[in-house]
Amino acid sequence: AQTVTQSQPEMSVQEAETVTLSCTYDTSESDYYLFWYKQPPSRQMILVIRQEAYKQQNATENRFSVNFQKAAKSFSLKISDSQLGDAAMYFCAYTFGGGADGLTFGKGTHLIIQP
Amino acid sequence: NAGVTQTPKFQVLKTGQSMTLQCAQDMNHEYMSWYRQDPGMGLRLIHYSVGAGITDQGEVPNGYNVSRSTTEDFPLRLLSAAPSQTSVYFCASREQGGYIQYFGAGTRLSVL
Repeated sequence: AQTVTQSQPEMSVQEAETVTLSCTYDTSESDYYLFWYKQPPSRQMILVIRQEAYKQQNATENRFSVNFQKAAKSFSLKISDSQLGDAAMYFCAYTFGGGADGLTFGKGTHLIIQP
Repeated sequence: NAGVTQTPKFQVLKTGQSMTLQCAQDMNHEYMSWYRQDPGMGLRLIHYSVGAGITDQGEVPNGYNVSRSTTEDFPLRLLSAAPSQTSVYFCASREQGGYIQYFGAGTRLSVL
């Protein structure tokens, strides 16, 4: 079974600084997708960024970027110029490309932004 | 275009009561799924469906029933609620051939 591990239960960063959230995963598949979801206190699950395993280039969405290390099965999220609105729970998630079932999530990292 | 709509947003049940959590999507997505989120945990898959009339179990299916009679709707039934089912429930959908899941706003359920 696939597993997703987030080793940092909580992270804190100063506003305007950069923070990196870690995620590792375990799979025997070659075709898969990785995601970072943000969950603010409203509890809505918001897709932040996604990465296709077959793409070597790291995904970037504005201030959010990933460091995808396929051989190491690592998928970290970097948030640049942190803003107060970035404070939330962040979940790393995996899905198998050929499967019909859903996402496998990590336990999450609580990100605190210090003003 | 409402996306994925879950009702109700909050619910309190007594042990042994039954209820149905509703989920509807208007994106004509084939795949729909239900997750639960417990404190300190990520979301865990309960049941999923790959199309009308087809459902399957996820990681934590015990105590829950599902059916899929239409593409739009995927209700989750608790036949006899237990305190262990106190959780936040999310419904999600994705299109066939796609891989991005779209989530509803969630239902917070408390079983006393």
